[in-house]
Amino acid sequence: DTGVSQDPRHKITKRGQNVTFRCDPISEHNRLYWYRQTLGQGPEFLTYFQNEAQLEKSRLLSDRFSAERPKGSFSTLEIQRTEQGDSAMYLCASSSVNRGHTEAFFGQGTRLTVV
Amino acid sequence: SQQGEEDPQALSIQEGENATMNCSYKTSINNLQWYRQNSGRGLVHLILIRSNEREKHSGRLRVTLDTSKKSSSLLITASRAADTASYFCATAQSSGAGSYQLTFGKGTKLSVIP
Repeated sequence: DTGVSQDPRHKITKRGQNVTFRCDPISEHNRLYWYRQTLGQGPEFLTYFQNEAQLEKSRLLSDRFSAERPKGSFSTLEIQRTEQGDSAMYLCASSSVNRGHTEAFFGQGTRLTVV
Repeated sequence: SQQGEEDPQALSIQEGENATMNCSYKTSINNLQWYRQNSGRGLVHLILIRSNEREKHSGRLRVTLDTSKKSSSLLITASRAADTASYFCATAQSSGAGSYQLTFGKGTKLSVIP
């Protein structure tokens, strides 16, 4: 399968626990993005990597959130001390650039429920 | 913040009819993209239209872009029950930090009745 892969697909955790999600992008894509989507809304941008460098972070990404992309391949998104408001679908996307235009390919997402 | 606004929020049509969804945005863009999302799943890329293009076709999809009005439309012809999904427009800004990210609207929920 050459698509974007996310793991786990679902995660239920108790408030205050830490969680970590993984994203494996399309292998030839050097750009990787994390988005968050709540019910009835469109995805909201969280952060962006070009290779291993994290180049942009949204103000939505509080200090409890950290993302890494070691070696410029897979990425992890960690949420510390989870809160009920963190419940959402976390989407990862990767892209290449075609003549200056970026077409993003999304994974199936990780649905987080904080109880 | 979400830049795009899709209209209508929900649309219900009979199989075989055409479905038209509209999107408005606020800032200058490099391109505009349409995505489909089935319930509880990830987003599937449908079509990308560049800011210097006015119309683009892909199979049963037709997208128009009017940069003077900051609006786009997605037309799905001869709809099928399998087209039932939420449809989102997303914009990539023309410069600055925002050019790396896509800004999505809230989506149009399309129901195609067999």
